[in-house]
Amino acid sequence: GQQVMQIPQYQHVQEGEDFTTYCNSSTTLSNIQWYKQRPGGHPVFLIQLVKSGEVKKQKRLTFQFGEAKKNSSLHITATQTTDVGTYFCAGPMRGGSQGNLIFGKGTKLSVKP
Amino acid sequence: DGGITQSPKYLFRKEGQNVTLSCEQNLNHDAMYWYRQDPGQGLRLIYYSQIVNDFQKGDIAEGYSVSREKKESFPLTVTSAQKNPTAFYLCASSIGTDLNYEQYFGPGTRLTVT
Repeated sequence: GQQVMQIPQYQHVQEGEDFTTYCNSSTTLSNIQWYKQRPGGHPVFLIQLVKSGEVKKQKRLTFQFGEAKKNSSLHITATQTTDVGTYFCAGPMRGGSQGNLIFGKGTKLSVKP
Repeated sequence: DGGITQSPKYLFRKEGQNVTLSCEQNLNHDAMYWYRQDPGQGLRLIYYSQIVNDFQKGDIAEGYSVSREKKESFPLTVTSAQKNPTAFYLCASSIGTDLNYEQYFGPGTRLTVT
C-alpha cells in the first residue's frame, strides 16, 4: 500500500548545528505537508508544498519538494532549543477519500544547549 | 477564539469498559478526523467525516465507533473490542476535503486502560 517514510527517526544535535529530515513517498504526491509536534503537544501545520521542485523558507527552516514529487526535505539552519520536537511529513492518500493524509512516522529532534 | 477542544486531557479506564472521547470545533470546518498516536509512531487514521451524518473508516477502525450528528462535534468511542486501547488520541479538522487543506489538531486525549 501507499507509504510515506521519514529518515532519520531520531536526530540529536548541538545547538547551532544544522538539521535535515527526509521524507519519501512510494507514490507521486499532489502535495506534501509538514507538521511539528512539540513534546507533549499536538501536531501543528508548518507548510505545504505543491509544485515540482518547489522550495519554501520560513526563517531558519527550508522546505523542498522533489522534482518527481515523491520526496521532500526539511532543513533547519543553526538549530535552537525551541526547535525541539517531532517533525512529520504527510501526503494525500491516493484512491481514498479527498482530504485524507498519510503521515510519516516523524523525525524526533533533540537539541543540546 | 476558534479552535478544537478535546476532553478530557487524561483518561483512565478499566479493561472491558467503553469510553467516549470528546472533540468539538468552532472553526466551521466540514471535515473532521480521529487519529491514534503510539510512541515512536506516526499518526494513524481511525475514522473521518466529511459532512454531518456521514463518516468513513480509516486504516484502524476496528474496535472504535464515531458519530457526526452536528458539524461541530465528532466524538470517538473506544469499545471493549479494541485490543490495545492505551494511546494518545488526536482529533483534527479541515475546512473541506480538498487535498490542499491543512489539518488543525486538538490538544489530544491520553487514554490509559488497565
